[in-house]
Amino acid sequence: AQSVTQLDSHVSVSEGTPVLLRCNYSSSYSPSLFWYVQHPNKGLQLLLKYTSAATLVKGINGFEAEFKKSETSFHLTKPSAHMSDAAEYFCVVSVRSGGYQKVTFGTGTKLQVIP
Amino acid sequence: DAMVIQNPRYQVTQFGKPVTLSCSQTLNHNVMYWYQQKSSQAPKLLFHYYDKDFNNEADTPDNFQSRRPNTSFCFLDIRSPGLGDAAMYLCATSREQGVATDTQYFGPGTRLTVL
Repeated sequence: AQSVTQLDSHVSVSEGTPVLLRCNYSSSYSPSLFWYVQHPNKGLQLLLKYTSAATLVKGINGFEAEFKKSETSFHLTKPSAHMSDAAEYFCVVSVRSGGYQKVTFGTGTKLQVIP
Repeated sequence: DAMVIQNPRYQVTQFGKPVTLSCSQTLNHNVMYWYQQKSSQAPKLLFHYYDKDFNNEADTPDNFQSRRPNTSFCFLDIRSPGLGDAAMYLCATSREQGVATDTQYFGPGTRLTVL
């Protein structure tokens, strides 16, 4: 079984300051990990994914995440927040289970960017 | 651009009146998913198709059905919508089944209101 914990339901940052969205996972198998972003009334867009290659993953819009197996974490960061980053972010763990891709979503973190 | 399209974007129906939501994709992916997302919650998988093989999640109510007449199209039928079925419905696709590293590509969603 796998699970995902997003430690903060809401994060508020000032424009131009760093962003840190935290995600911890548990998995019986070697997982793949994803971050998706969802703007209001829109679908989910892939930001980045970890698939057992480089542990530091760079994504779109300046976001990156580091896979730390020892800490079972996959935190999302961005050096400087932009107003357009205000959205909800989902951390997702994916494993192969019983011939299927088993995907588990975290509960989401809403990012507020203050001008 | 290859994409996942959902129609309509907003759907209003009456309590108990059947409704059908539509999804199409130009990615030529083998797997199509339907998720239900209630306000401020993570998406919840209802079912998925691998080609024509239908896979229902154990806790998906019988009120929800799906059809996939061809590779490009998938429909979600709600036979007798209740007030609790008001939600955003997200369609997603992935290239293959059972590949943990596969990205799921999401459509913009259909927001269903039940009066």
